[in-house]
Amino acid sequence: DAGVIQSPRHEVTEMGQEVTLRCKPISGHNSLFWYRQTMMRGLELLIYFNNNVPIDDSGMPEDRFSAKMPNASFSTLKIQPSEPRDSAVYFCASSLTGTSNSPLHFGNGTRLTVT
Amino acid sequence: AQSVTQLGSHVSVSEGALVLLRCNYSSSVPPYLFWYVQYPNQGLQLLLKYTSAATLVKGINGFEAEFKKSETSFHLTKPSAHMSDAAEYFCAVSDPNFNKFYFGSGTKLNVKP
Repeated sequence: DAGVIQSPRHEVTEMGQEVTLRCKPISGHNSLFWYRQTMMRGLELLIYFNNNVPIDDSGMPEDRFSAKMPNASFSTLKIQPSEPRDSAVYFCASSLTGTSNSPLHFGNGTRLTVT
Repeated sequence: AQSVTQLGSHVSVSEGALVLLRCNYSSSVPPYLFWYVQYPNQGLQLLLKYTSAATLVKGINGFEAEFKKSETSFHLTKPSAHMSDAAEYFCAVSDPNFNKFYFGSGTKLNVKP
C-alpha cells in the first residue's frame, strides 16, 4: 500500500501565478478529499469527490480555486491566480467507501508559499 | 451540526507519565469519532476510531480512547508517554448522515525527558 501520494511537496510561487497541486489516492478508495491547513483556521475541507464526482465544494474559498478528478487515480487542485493568503499546507485524503465511518487516509501534503 | 472541541492547545508531560488529551463533541445524532496524529511535515495518521461498537477503543502505539455519551467526550489516553509520542493530535467527528469530517483545532503534545 503506497498510501496517498501528493506532489509537489513544496511549492513557492509569486502572486498571480497559477498553481496546480496533484494527488493520487489509494488504489480502490472511491472517495477523495482536499483539505487546507493553516495556523489560524486549522483543517478546512475544501471539496470532496465520490466515484470521481464532486459532491460538496462548499468549502472552496472562491472562484480562483478549482478541483478535478478525471479518473479514480488522479485529482488536481488548481489556484488561479494565486494570492499570498493562499499560503498553507494542502492535504489530499482518500477513504475506502466514502461513508462517514470510513477513516480518511492522508497524504503528506503540499506546502504552498505565495510571495 | 457537528463540532469538536479540544481542550488545551499544548500539553506537556514527562516521559513515562500518563497522557490525557481531551476531546468533546457536539452532535445531533450518534457520531463516529476518530483520533489522528500528525508528526512534523507529515499528513495525519489514524490512531483509532469509534463507530458504535465497544465504547473503549484501542488504537496503535498504546493509545486508547473511551466514548462517553453522557459527557459527550472521547478523551485519548496512554498510560506511559514515550519521547516518540511528541506530535500534534486531532480529534474528529463525522455525521453518520453525511460524509463530512469535522476536526478539532489540535493539541500539541510535548514529552519531556
